[in-house]
Amino acid sequence: EVQLVESGGDLVQPGRSLRLFCAASGFNFGDSAMHWVRQVPGKGLEWVAGLGWNSETIAYADSVKGRFTISRDNANKTLFLQMDNLRTEDTALYYCVKDMNIVVVAAALHGFDVWGQGTLVAVSS
Amino acid sequence: DIQMTQSPSSVSASIGDKVTITCRASQPFTNWLAWYQQKPGKAPQLLIYAESILKHGVPSRFSGSGSGTQFTLTISSLQPDDFATYYCLQTNTFPFTFGPGTTVD
Repeated sequence: EVQLVESGGDLVQPGRSLRLFCAASGFNFGDSAMHWVRQVPGKGLEWVAGLGWNSETIAYADSVKGRFTISRDNANKTLFLQMDNLRTEDTALYYCVKDMNIVVVAAALHGFDVWGQGTLVAVSS
Repeated sequence: DIQMTQSPSSVSASIGDKVTITCRASQPFTNWLAWYQQKPGKAPQLLIYAESILKHGVPSRFSGSGSGTQFTLTISSLQPDDFATYYCLQTNTFPFTFGPGTTVD
């Protein structure tokens, strides 16, 4: 079964750091670009960051650039999101997402075809 | 950044109705648009990618079209399982951006 399982979400104070994890199974993780997408409960979706199969292509939303770092460990089929200098507006459910493409480039086919169930990050004092 | 808007924000429809959801982009592009369906308490699911290609297993009552700044998701005959929120996503330029969503109820 193709599956993505996120973990690491927590309640943290503004300015602190948090690291999210996504464990993949049931597909060749090393052949897929991966992304993080977040959603404030009851609100819409926001793409956060994407990383290509070999970590050579990478992109971030403006709202997280310079604070968040996406990375991956293909040997252990794990995707990470290091979140530093967290803000209250980062509070959301964070989804780990598999891409049909292998690279993260603009003007290209991207289908986010597998989603995890999300891990909740709450930033509050 | 490309801003995406969707209309309507919500639509009330009945079983068997044809439903059309429009996604408009602040800049023109072709092909690199996908549609997602999300049900309450669940993760989104991919319906259509590259503007008009149905993901394997998605019912043929769903279709996508458009180009330039206007893209359309059509449900030809609404079924009970289709009551959900629908989002478009552009991957033409960074940052990738979702539309605000359209709820079909």
